Amino acid sequence: EADIYQTPRYLVIGTGKKITLECSQTMGHDKMYWYQQDPGMELHLIHYSYGVNSTEKGDLSSESTVSRIRTEHFPLTLESARPSHTSQYLCATVPGLGHNNEQFFGPGTRLTVL
Amino acid sequence: GQQVMQIPQYQHVQEGEDFTTYCNSSTTLSNIQWYKQRPGGHPVFLIQLVKSGEVKKQKRLTFQFGEAKKNSSLHITATQTTDVGTYFCAGPGANNLFFGTGTRLTVIP
Repeated sequence: EADIYQTPRYLVIGTGKKITLECSQTMGHDKMYWYQQDPGMELHLIHYSYGVNSTEKGDLSSESTVSRIRTEHFPLTLESARPSHTSQYLCATVPGLGHNNEQFFGPGTRLTVL
Repeated sequence: GQQVMQIPQYQHVQEGEDFTTYCNSSTTLSNIQWYKQRPGGHPVFLIQLVKSGEVKKQKRLTFQFGEAKKNSSLHITATQTTDVGTYFCAGPGANNLFFGTGTRLTVIP
């Protein structure tokens, strides 16, 4: 059973605030990903990591940053939230060596920036 | 760049009718995956197809991978209200999966 946790599940915040979205997993998977998804729309990759101390930007330009100090945690930080950041943020992990394997998604964080 | 397009974008069906979504890639894929996302939920893996022309079934769901490995389809027979959601296909890119644009299915009871 895949265990991926995301907190908070919902967040309403004012413009200019710094926020960190947490993602943690108990499966020991090396590869982790952050996606941004507007309701019912396609997923956009914003960051990914192949393991500890590995972080890369994804396809969607993002004003966020990530860190991977421990295998279990892959937090996403917005230094200064803006209304354009309003969206759902999904964290995912992949087992094994390749990235072609099944992705396990967390429940997501719904962010609203006023 | 690599693109994975899905059609239709939306589909409304009467409960009991069949449903099909199509996925087309601009490049040949080594494999293709399908995911389902319930309203308000997160994507959940359904299946992976690897071989050219491969057909796999899961109860009322039939998945097919094209001979040229550039397209795929998901067919649901006799839809039920539990089938409601958005169905995404996904193909491998250099560093990640490329998710399709998704087909949102509504089932009218």
